[in-house]
Amino acid sequence: DTEVTQTPKHLVMGMTNKKSLKCEQHMGHRAMYWYKQKAKKPPELMFVYSYEKLSINESVPSRFSPECPNSSLLNLHLHALQPEDSALYLCASSQDNGRNGEAFFGQGTRLTVV
Amino acid sequence: GQNIDQPTEMTATEGAIVQINCTYQTSGFNGLFWYQQHAGEAPTFLSYNVLDGLEEKGRFSSFLSRSKGYSYLLLKELQMKDSASYLCAVRDRAGNMLTFGGGTRLMVKP
Repeated sequence: DTEVTQTPKHLVMGMTNKKSLKCEQHMGHRAMYWYKQKAKKPPELMFVYSYEKLSINESVPSRFSPECPNSSLLNLHLHALQPEDSALYLCASSQDNGRNGEAFFGQGTRLTVV
Repeated sequence: GQNIDQPTEMTATEGAIVQINCTYQTSGFNGLFWYQQHAGEAPTFLSYNVLDGLEEKGRFSSFLSRSKGYSYLLLKELQMKDSASYLCAVRDRAGNMLTFGGGTRLMVKP
């Protein structure tokens, strides 16, 4: 099983709404990531969780709030977003260091802020 | 920090071979990844190199030279469905950050 599952696949939200994106993996990976991707651009790292602890926050605005309830789940809570936050939000997971360090992405949540 | 360079666009003919290069300068290195991404879809994992040399997987091969900060992805027997963006990504020494190059948009023509 090399699957990272993200829900929902599509989300339209208003600027005053609160919503959450969810990500799940059962590969035993201990690093999980949130990326943001705009059209025709590479993914940009937002957050990294390592062993369920936030290890990297790439200066992301506080209207994005990550949460890692356990080693298989990663959430991204959204509040008071702006239209420019519309993008594809990608979750990824990977092993730690070592030879078998593949990193897999979920199918993404396409977010539109109106 | 990480600096990862790859060509913006490439064009190749169906049935041919194409090599997509990636060079990187990083403060730490713990593996290089190649992903394929079709428009509007998520990146799909293709290969991972952490040691020097060639890794082969069917029609796709990836090469790494750590001393030169260089990798390439080789696609053989190109098919129309191989038209996509190909992303090179480097993981830092701590194993936490996965940083992407700008991607190479490959167009396969009949």
